[in-house]
Amino acid sequence: AAGVIQSPRHLIKEKRETATLKCYPIPRHDTVYWYQQGPGQDPQFLISFYEKMQSDKGSIPDRFSAQQFSDYHSELNMSSLELGDSALYFCASSFGTGEINYGYTFGSGTRLTVV
Amino acid sequence: DQQVKQNSPSLSVQEGRISILNCDYTNSMFDYFLWYKKYPAEGPTFLISISSIKDKNEDGRFTVFLNKSAKHLSLHIVPSQPGDSAVYFCAASDGSQGNLIFGKGTKLSVKP
Repeated sequence: AAGVIQSPRHLIKEKRETATLKCYPIPRHDTVYWYQQGPGQDPQFLISFYEKMQSDKGSIPDRFSAQQFSDYHSELNMSSLELGDSALYFCASSFGTGEINYGYTFGSGTRLTVV
Repeated sequence: DQQVKQNSPSLSVQEGRISILNCDYTNSMFDYFLWYKKYPAEGPTFLISISSIKDKNEDGRFTVFLNKSAKHLSLHIVPSQPGDSAVYFCAASDGSQGNLIFGKGTKLSVKP
């Protein structure tokens, strides 16, 4: 079965550069969630989209922005990168927000390293 | 302030025995609780969930118990297998928008 696809798997950027992470949800899923997991930390919710509209916002810095496109894929844009942005970025998808009891499907993540 | 707490960063269990992973929460508005398993270099994989209206949910070797009065839940794995060795995350949702709040995880090692 198709899973949540994230690209790239690894990304190395310098401070003050920009980065774009992509997430392709499972077919028919219309909801996408972005999480950031720092070293030794729990995954922190950043932002979510439902039917191409932002549905909830967590601890996403103002330097970051995201959107969901007509094909339901989502992109997380990160500007003025800082060393502290180095983390694993996970995307998860679901069909609506009502199936939480079945859990969300996570992608394998993008490891961003800022040097 | 951590709303979902997993106070044991690691747990080591012998193969065939029971693994018990614990999780505490502070927000009484949480209505769904989930356990995820994570291998290195992979995303979290959903294991099992429980609604706040239940106190137990079982799926094969995995059972989750919820004690609402104590704001505590636990995941029992019986019997434990070496392939169960992974980091286990407890997560909770208040159902409003569906985003999950995770604990810091417990690394389970099952020794043959």
